[in-house]
Amino acid sequence: ETGVTQSPTHLIKTRGQQVTLRCSSQSGHNTVSWYQQALGQGPQFIFQYYREEENGRGNFPPRFSGLQFPNYSSELNVNALELDDSALYLCASSLARSSGNTGELFFGEGSRLTVL
Amino acid sequence: QQQVKQSPQSLIVQKGGISIINCAYENTAFDYFPWYQQFPGKGPALLIAIRPDVSEKKEGRFTISFNKSAKQFSLHIMDSQPGDSATYFCAARGNTGNQFYFGTGTSLTVIP
Repeated sequence: ETGVTQSPTHLIKTRGQQVTLRCSSQSGHNTVSWYQQALGQGPQFIFQYYREEENGRGNFPPRFSGLQFPNYSSELNVNALELDDSALYLCASSLARSSGNTGELFFGEGSRLTVL
Repeated sequence: QQQVKQSPQSLIVQKGGISIINCAYENTAFDYFPWYQQFPGKGPALLIAIRPDVSEKKEGRFTISFNKSAKQFSLHIMDSQPGDSATYFCAARGNTGNQFYFGTGTSLTVIP
């Protein structure tokens, strides 16, 4: 069973630039969620994708966008980077919630973004 | 507004002791309460989870105690080991929607 993999692991950008982060979901999982974890804080929900469509969004501006592909992998795009976007970005895969499962999250190791 | 409040922020326990981390919530629509363990440089990993129709769940040395009327739940780590040193997050999810709300984390250090 292959776990959740994310790339790149670390990257440095300057304010105003754009960034794309990638995630491969765990085998058999059809849902991908993205979370932002600032230093010393808990993860904050950005959005979730299911069947290639956004399926819930947290309190993040539209410059945070995403995609899910037919193989369930996903991308997170952030435009017009700001200093406060510096964080660990976590991808989590899961099965869609149903009466048979809890939709629990399986996290990757994250992409550490630094905005200068 | 923090949907799930977690305490303490940090905790130091002697090897063999009991570690206790507490969380509280307000939203009665939450129906699933997991705990995650995170080591430095790694993503959070699911440790144990509970539903509000159960007051206690035990898996090995880890136990969740759940008080629905008080809207509180806690993680107990029995016989704490140095390898348990990590950051622990409680979380909650509503009975609709897909968003998990995380606490701010507790940094646990177990001294040999």
